Amino acid sequence: NAGVTQTPKFQVLKTGQSMTLQCAQDMNHEYMSWYRQDPGMGLRLIHYSVGAGITDQGEVPNGYNVSRSTTEDFPLRLLSAAPSQTSVYFCASSTGLAATQAQETQYFGPGTRLLVL
Amino acid sequence: GQQVMQIPQYQHVQEGEDFTTYCNSSTTLSNIQWYKQRPGGHPVFLIQLVKSGEVKKQKRLTFQFGEAKKNSSLHITATQTTDVGTYFCAGTSGNNRLAFGKGNQVVVIP
Repeated sequence: NAGVTQTPKFQVLKTGQSMTLQCAQDMNHEYMSWYRQDPGMGLRLIHYSVGAGITDQGEVPNGYNVSRSTTEDFPLRLLSAAPSQTSVYFCASSTGLAATQAQETQYFGPGTRLLVL
Repeated sequence: GQQVMQIPQYQHVQEGEDFTTYCNSSTTLSNIQWYKQRPGGHPVFLIQLVKSGEVKKQKRLTFQFGEAKKNSSLHITATQTTDVGTYFCAGTSGNNRLAFGKGNQVVVIP
């Protein structure tokens, strides 16, 4: 299994440009999520999906769109990039909720480092 | 909303010494997870604690979940240079979403 893969690894954008960060997993996980990581801020949830066709907002969703047409893929779209979106983006997947209603282990991708000028 | 706080935010540890990092929640948690992120890498799952008062060990690492399920700790003994990185705790509470702390960045001094 490749686990969770993300492309690209690095990206430089100009303000106002759009792009899509790709995320794929081959573990048949239902739950997928996007986080951004900024110095001193930890991991903040952007959007998540509990299955194909179902998405919801996380803690910091503004400026980002997601879709989940298949179980495997969960792309993150920046419609009009802003310098405040300069960050490291991690995609993660998990099997969902355990019998305890607690979130299962998150498997993280290698990350995409984005610089918006 | 649910908040998970980690203290300290930074630690400098002499190689060979022990250290502890703490995680506190404002609400009761269903579980607590610990992750380690090496510099330039991605978070990697270490362990999950579910039961009140639970203690788990992984070689030099000891993880504890508080009796009230609102706090947790990670204790590392005989620190090695490979222990460098940022340690995150993450917990699930009523909204069934995992909330991450801001992490404890650990620097090991040889």
